[in-house]
Amino acid sequence: SQQGEEDPQALSIQEGENATMNCSYKTSINNLQWYRQNSGRGLVHLILIRSNEREKHSGRLRVTLDTSKKSSSLLITASRAADTASYFCATDGGGFKTIFGAGTRLFVKA
Amino acid sequence: DTAVSQTPKYLVTQMGNDKSIKCEQNLGHDTMYWYKQDSKKFLKIMFSYNNKELIINETVPNRFSPKSPDKAHLNLHINSLELGDSAVYFCASSQAASESQAFFGQGTRLTVV
Repeated sequence: SQQGEEDPQALSIQEGENATMNCSYKTSINNLQWYRQNSGRGLVHLILIRSNEREKHSGRLRVTLDTSKKSSSLLITASRAADTASYFCATDGGGFKTIFGAGTRLFVKA
Repeated sequence: DTAVSQTPKYLVTQMGNDKSIKCEQNLGHDTMYWYKQDSKKFLKIMFSYNNKELIINETVPNRFSPKSPDKAHLNLHINSLELGDSAVYFCASSQAASESQAFFGQGTRLTVV
């Protein structure tokens, strides 16, 4: 079964608002990653957080990881229309396997 | 310079045909992958290669045969194409398997008619 599950499946917000997406997973991990996919394009890596980290920042992105709850969140602050995309969390499935969730579709209205 | 490039970008073919998708990475990575993304955007790993050796085969039908002539290339050959094979196929590479970020190609949209 798939490791990561994102929530919500879809999110629509106004430009300037914050967007929060959540990811839950089932088994122990070494790291968790977030990716973005623009329509019709490949996935682009956003941020990687290791299992011994609780929070990580990159520009307008803030990722948290709670290994006790097996969950992570991605916060995009001051969203822009260009942030419109699908966002995926991915966990290491052990060794040579990165497992993706079903994604959250974010739509930022200008 | 494109880090991970795959060709073709679009592929339309009839049921029963055999087709190949090529992938090349110029990042010097040891690990390469093939993923399938269905119409609901669900991304599922198909194969993982490390240093030209098959590491993971995620219960993919044996009509799908990956081939890695060298570390920089991982091609996907599909025999006897079926309607259900229609999807977007992504090639990706990473330096140290799932310990580091993966770089993705732009995808190949396969449509079987």
